Amino acid sequence: ETGVTQTPRHLVMGMTNKKSLKCEQHLGHNAMYWYKQSAKKPLELMFVYNFKEQTENNSVPSRFSPECPNSSHLFLHLHTLQPEDSALYLCASSQGRTSGGPLTDTQYFGPGTRLTVL
Amino acid sequence: RKEVEQDPGPFNVPEGATVAFNCTYSNSASQSFFWYRQDCRKEPKLLMSVYSSGNEDGRFTAQLNRASQYISLLIRDSKLSDSATYLCVVNRNHLRFGAGTRLTVKP
Repeated sequence: ETGVTQTPRHLVMGMTNKKSLKCEQHLGHNAMYWYKQSAKKPLELMFVYNFKEQTENNSVPSRFSPECPNSSHLFLHLHTLQPEDSALYLCASSQGRTSGGPLTDTQYFGPGTRLTVL
Repeated sequence: RKEVEQDPGPFNVPEGATVAFNCTYSNSASQSFFWYRQDCRKEPKLLMSVYSSGNEDGRFTAQLNRASQYISLLIRDSKLSDSATYLCVVNRNHLRFGAGTRLTVKP
């Protein structure tokens, strides 16, 4: 399935590096999400964009910086990460909504980027 | 307390067995409910939504009890391909995931 793609699939970086994760969705959706999945922990929502506007920042440290240039693309810029940031980073998309209120529609996930911070 | 609680398992069952997973959620304002499936080192995929009236999809039956804030998933006639982690998910402004229950179906 190629509805939501993520690159790179694997990334190893040092604590002083700057890198970016990319997500692209081909489903015509308008909402995009970043999640973090650490070993043996639930998925944690990081950021939500609805029609290119950030609607949620779930108390994420500033060393993670999202960017949503259009409804099809989402980036996560990484800078001076810590070893505990090593995890699977998952992108998802959904239809989104034009009116106010919560996003309740089905989300489709990308394959994730497995990040290791040395 | 976690907002969505699941028994982490693992559940190891023989092919053909019936297995049930339970989940509780803490916030009564939760709006919608789902089961997702996640295979090892893969992304989560929606298995089925869960409705108050209960719903069935082939060998899978999901139940929701809003009064008890309890969700269940029943898998009948387990297949080897059912081996995965099953994630209980509630939607309250955004999706909130349980840590998952791991199922291994053995020949």
